[in-house]
Amino acid sequence: RKEVEQDPGPFNVPEGATVAFNCTYSNSASQSFFWYRQDCRKEPKLLMSVYSSGNEDGRFTAQLNRASQYISLLIRDSKLSDSATYLCVVNEGSARQLTFGSGTQLTVLP
Amino acid sequence: NAGVTQTPKFRVLKTGQSMTLLCAQDMNHEYMYWYRQDPGMGLRLIHYSVGEGTTAKGEVPDGYNVSRLKKQNFLLGLESAAPSQTSVYFCASSTWKVQETQYFGPGTRLLVL
Repeated sequence: RKEVEQDPGPFNVPEGATVAFNCTYSNSASQSFFWYRQDCRKEPKLLMSVYSSGNEDGRFTAQLNRASQYISLLIRDSKLSDSATYLCVVNEGSARQLTFGSGTQLTVLP
Repeated sequence: NAGVTQTPKFRVLKTGQSMTLLCAQDMNHEYMYWYRQDPGMGLRLIHYSVGEGTTAKGEVPDGYNVSRLKKQNFLLGLESAAPSQTSVYFCASSTWKVQETQYFGPGTRLLVL
């Protein structure tokens, strides 16, 4: 079983749509959580950290449920520029090592 | 502020050849990491370092060696390249703080023939 599992995707949505990505992690001792964005042939870049109380950054909302070991990312009013692969990332606390999900590809269509 | 840089950007090797990938960061980060990314596999940790002069194995260390002689540099070596090492290699760095994320370099694309 993978340590961090994401929706298989791909997601193809029209501009303006709302899309949600889900992620589960297996290590209950995980300490911090992130969503990264990776554009084609580029490096991963931090989109947002995920906090227990939930957090929002503009059109993006992240939620964490520690009891269910579940993380989500909601994108509202999708833009063409949101097209990318979204990586769910978990820090298990050991030497600051991050465990990455395989990613979910999003394509926003005009 | 350059952040994390990697050299070279692209390289083609023949099986059995050796090479060194260089990663440099100017953020005074304690921790540095080398990952490889293959289609459908996500990023996998090869080796990492928690400080100058220290290195440790990650998830997929076989066939690679690393060195961290200076805090700002982290070198990844392939002593005898194999086609299975064809991949995109990313370097990253971070502080010691648990809540801090990692910052990635632009990647090195390696093709081993």
